[in-house]
Amino acid sequence: SQTIHQWPATLVQPVGSPLSLECTVEGTSNPNLYWYRQAAGRGLQLLFYSVGIGQISSEVPQNLSASRPQDRQFILSSKKLLLSDSGFYLCAWSVLPGPQQFFGPGTRLTVL
Amino acid sequence: ELKVEQNPLFLSMQEGKNYTIYCNYSTTSDRLYWYRQDPGKSLESLFVLLSNGAVKQEGRLMASLDTKARLSTLHITAAVHDLSATYFCAVDIPFGGATNKLIFGTGTLLAVQP
Repeated sequence: SQTIHQWPATLVQPVGSPLSLECTVEGTSNPNLYWYRQAAGRGLQLLFYSVGIGQISSEVPQNLSASRPQDRQFILSSKKLLLSDSGFYLCAWSVLPGPQQFFGPGTRLTVL
Repeated sequence: ELKVEQNPLFLSMQEGKNYTIYCNYSTTSDRLYWYRQDPGKSLESLFVLLSNGAVKQEGRLMASLDTKARLSTLHITAAVHDLSATYFCAVDIPFGGATNKLIFGTGTLLAVQP
């Protein structure tokens, strides 16, 4: 069966510090991968998606970036965090032909 | 701009009562999903609706999809406290042939009172 992992689970970082969040999927090959952010009390916003190694598409302009160095690994990064980057970050995967996306446990980021 | 709107945003209901959450969306789509989120947790998939007229039921929850009206409903029957959570609908927008994009609704916070 497929599983998705995210770490760290919780992170508190000062403004201006770098960020690296990791997501890995097990039990499947060639997944589509997604990064979402959920601000407090809000819905989910798609940040990035990837259909393969090295292929990243960005949905919203921001100071975050994403990379996919391996088939089942998706990384979310920032060189300098802003207060507005605080939120709950969720990684998700899907595999064609199924349209459904499955979500990881999430990382709660607080920028102080 | 694509919009997915849920109402109500907050729902307080008594155990044993019935109620419906509505999800309206502004673009053509044949696929819609319902998720549940407990406080501080990730999203749990509840229903996958893949065609007009689709109806799915699980326990006290039933979801339906009317693609012509661009409307999905999540009906709660005889609510129990364990159903307290935030419920999201998400509209599936295929693009690029190789992936799809989910546009989430605003969420409905459901609080079931004893």
